[in-house]
Amino acid sequence: DTGVSQDPRHKITKRGQNVTFRCDPISEHNRLYWYRQTLGQGPEFLTYFQNEAQLEKSRLLSDRFSAERPKGSFSTLEIQRTEQGDSAMYLCASSHPGQGDTGELFFGEGSRLTVL
Amino acid sequence: AQSVTQLGSHVSVSEGALVLLRCNYSSSVPPYLFWYVQYPNQGLQLLLKYTTGATLVKGINGFEAEFKKSETSFHLTKPSAHMSDAAEYFCAVSGLEYGNKLVFGAGTILRVKS
Repeated sequence: DTGVSQDPRHKITKRGQNVTFRCDPISEHNRLYWYRQTLGQGPEFLTYFQNEAQLEKSRLLSDRFSAERPKGSFSTLEIQRTEQGDSAMYLCASSHPGQGDTGELFFGEGSRLTVL
Repeated sequence: AQSVTQLGSHVSVSEGALVLLRCNYSSSVPPYLFWYVQYPNQGLQLLLKYTTGATLVKGINGFEAEFKKSETSFHLTKPSAHMSDAAEYFCAVSGLEYGNKLVFGAGTILRVKS
């Protein structure tokens, strides 16, 4: 399978714990995006990388959230001191060079976080 | 703030009937326009897109959408619904006024009745 893969698919944690999600993009894609999707809403942009550089962060990304893409390949999204409001589906997407600005993104199946 | 509006959070049609899902955007410059579909427990899949050129765009699974600049709309249609079309559909836009990232509407859940 050469699509975008995310791990874990489901995570249940207690309030206050830290969680980390991993995303492996399609190998030749240089842009990688993180989105958050809550029930009844469309995906909301969190941040994106071009290669290893984090080019934009949404105001939704509080200081408890950090994302990295150290070698320009896979990316991690860490949430520290989780709150119940962090419960959501976290989506990763990647795009091919030259396609990114036209918005055609390839999405993974998401990582669902439940904070108890 | 620039936005995308999908009219109707739920749409129900009978199998074989016309599907019409509505999307309007707010932008002074025509953006790039997309429809994505999300089946249960799956990621988003691109149905079709409009960037430049012909305003009637054909996508996968028999769907098409027409960009109407005067109405700032990009409605999604399919002449005859199939049970397998039941899913959630998202309209999305990108372009300079959206910071060159994809901005999504709230989604429309399509139900197909037999």
